[in-house]
Amino acid sequence: NAGVTQTPKFQVLKTGQSMTLQCAQDMNHEYMSWYRQDPGMGLRLIHYSVGAGITDQGEVPNGYNVSRSTTEDFPLRLLSAAPSQTSVYFCASTSSGVWNEQFFGPGTRLTVL
Amino acid sequence: GENVEQHPSTLSVQEGDSAVIKCTYSDSASNYFPWYKQELGKRPQLIIDIRSNVGEKKDQRIAVTLNKTAKHFSLHITETQPEDSAVYFCAASGAGGSEKLVFGKGTKLTVNP
Repeated sequence: NAGVTQTPKFQVLKTGQSMTLQCAQDMNHEYMSWYRQDPGMGLRLIHYSVGAGITDQGEVPNGYNVSRSTTEDFPLRLLSAAPSQTSVYFCASTSSGVWNEQFFGPGTRLTVL
Repeated sequence: GENVEQHPSTLSVQEGDSAVIKCTYSDSASNYFPWYKQELGKRPQLIIDIRSNVGEKKDQRIAVTLNKTAKHFSLHITETQPEDSAVYFCAASGAGGSEKLVFGKGTKLTVNP
């Protein structure tokens, strides 16, 4: 199993550009989530999904869109990138249930100029 | 919503000493409390977790305690080693499940040889 994979590893954007961060998992997990990590801020939840076709907002959803058309994939879209979106983005997945481990992907380091 | 406070933000110990990191949470509905270790440039990885129906859990040199009445939980690392140096994050599940964890801001632990 590859676990949770993310592409790209690094990305530089100009203000106003759009892009999609890819996330995939091969563990047949129902739940998937996107977090951003900023220095001194821990990990903050952007969006999450409890299954194909179902998504919901987390703590910091503004400026981001998600969709979940398959169990395996959960892309994160930046519609119009802003410098405040410079961060490290982690995708995570977990099997359904309250007490299950979240597995994180390797992260995408995004810089918006 | 859930709020998680983590202290201290930095902790420096001598090799062989013990380290304790403390977290408090606000939502009494939280029932799952994982701890993640993140080495520099790597993804967060689960090291131990505890469920609300358990007061203490131990795994070799690592232990976690939970006080539901006071709404706080702690990570204890005994006989610290240089390879324990990393950033540690606590998290709480809030009213939802493990798919939308709320994280503390992290503790940078340095173990000096």
